[in-house]
Amino acid sequence: AQSVTQPDIHITVSEGASLELRCNYSYGATPYLFWYVQSPGQGLQLLLKYFSGDTLVQGIKGFEAEFKRSQSSFNLRKPSVHWSDAAEYFCALDSNYQLIWGAGTKLIIKP
Amino acid sequence: DVKVTQSSRYLVKRTGEKVFLECVQDMDHENMFWYRQDPGLGLRLIYFSYDVKMKEKGDIPEGYSVSREKKERFSLILESASTNQTSMYLCASRSPGASEKLLFGSGTQLSVL
Repeated sequence: AQSVTQPDIHITVSEGASLELRCNYSYGATPYLFWYVQSPGQGLQLLLKYFSGDTLVQGIKGFEAEFKRSQSSFNLRKPSVHWSDAAEYFCALDSNYQLIWGAGTKLIIKP
Repeated sequence: DVKVTQSSRYLVKRTGEKVFLECVQDMDHENMFWYRQDPGLGLRLIYFSYDVKMKEKGDIPEGYSVSREKKERFSLILESASTNQTSMYLCASRSPGASEKLLFGSGTQLSVL
């Protein structure tokens, strides 16, 4: 069955520290994968996407993600977080043009 | 600036009331979606619409219905609201086959008392 797992419900990171949010997927073919961010009181905004080609994809706001087929993972990274990055982050998988969503990871930034 | 607009940011309703959640997009998108978002569960698809007057059930359609009489407007209807429908409701729209261009509204936080 197709699924997306975000193992971490919450992650706390100090401002200026690096960040990695985990995403694992289950899908029978080459996946189309996405990361979205939801700031408090806002809708979801697309950070980046992977369709094919280069396995390291760059997104907005300084985020990047690496697709690893052998590990069925698509982890989101940022080298240095800012307080404005505090939000909820969702990983999603395209399945026949419908999105399957992970449960989300809430990022908390410590000053 | 293109956008998806949900008519209410917060709604409080009573059990048994009929509730309408409205969503309007100004991008001439064919596809529109209603999701509910609950902590720890991510987004779950309630209904979607491929085009005017067309609708398909998503993963959790029970207790909901939808209406799409005009291309720009997609309404979610709770025929008889229940407390377990207290949730954040998100509307989204896109062009067909363009998953990366899914645009979301800001959401409606519905509380059913």
